[in-house]
Amino acid sequence: EDKVVQSPLSLVVHEGDTVTLNCSYEVTNFRSLLWYKQEKKAPTFLFMLTSSGIEKKSGRLSSILDKKELFSILNITATQTGDSAIYLCAVNYGGSQGNLIFGKGTKLSVKP
Amino acid sequence: KAGVTQTPRYLIKTRGQQVTLSCSPISGHRSVSWYQQTPGQGLQFLFEYFSETQRNKGNFPGRFSGRQFSNSRSEMNVSTLELGDSALYLCASSPWTGRRTEAFFGQGTRLTVV
Repeated sequence: EDKVVQSPLSLVVHEGDTVTLNCSYEVTNFRSLLWYKQEKKAPTFLFMLTSSGIEKKSGRLSSILDKKELFSILNITATQTGDSAIYLCAVNYGGSQGNLIFGKGTKLSVKP
Repeated sequence: KAGVTQTPRYLIKTRGQQVTLSCSPISGHRSVSWYQQTPGQGLQFLFEYFSETQRNKGNFPGRFSGRQFSNSRSEMNVSTLELGDSALYLCASSPWTGRRTEAFFGQGTRLTVV
């Protein structure tokens, strides 16, 4: 059965800390892995990863994919209270956008 | 460029009723997908429409249906509502051009069934 597993499920850190969120997957016909940030309602697109070993960066956020070991990590450095959100990992496994399997998410709380 | 627009934002219905949710994708996006999000199950795929055709369907009962119009706007319908249908319903649109498969989400419709 295709699945995406995120860990940890929740995390509490203090401002300035660095966090690493994990996403592992088992799917057939992998196409890409996507990270989203969900604060209140709409998940906001962060990264799409298709190739192993190539780091994607956006400010304090970065992500990398390991297609051999079937996992991805999302790093957030110098965390801020505004980083508090649920971070979702999804895998596109069929080429069609609809074939997205989501993990349950990691709830990150950043304390001042 | 306007984002994905979902209406209504909130809805309260009673068991047995039916409901229709609407989604207007980002201009130029032809693929629209619907997801149900609940605390216990997370985000689950309902169905995807592309050029007015249902291209994929998730593992939901036939009470859940949808359609897409020629302007790419999509509607989702749930008939004979059950308490367990209470959830956040999210719509996502995608350009679906070549390898650009990232999905952009709307704010969602919070459905409460009482």
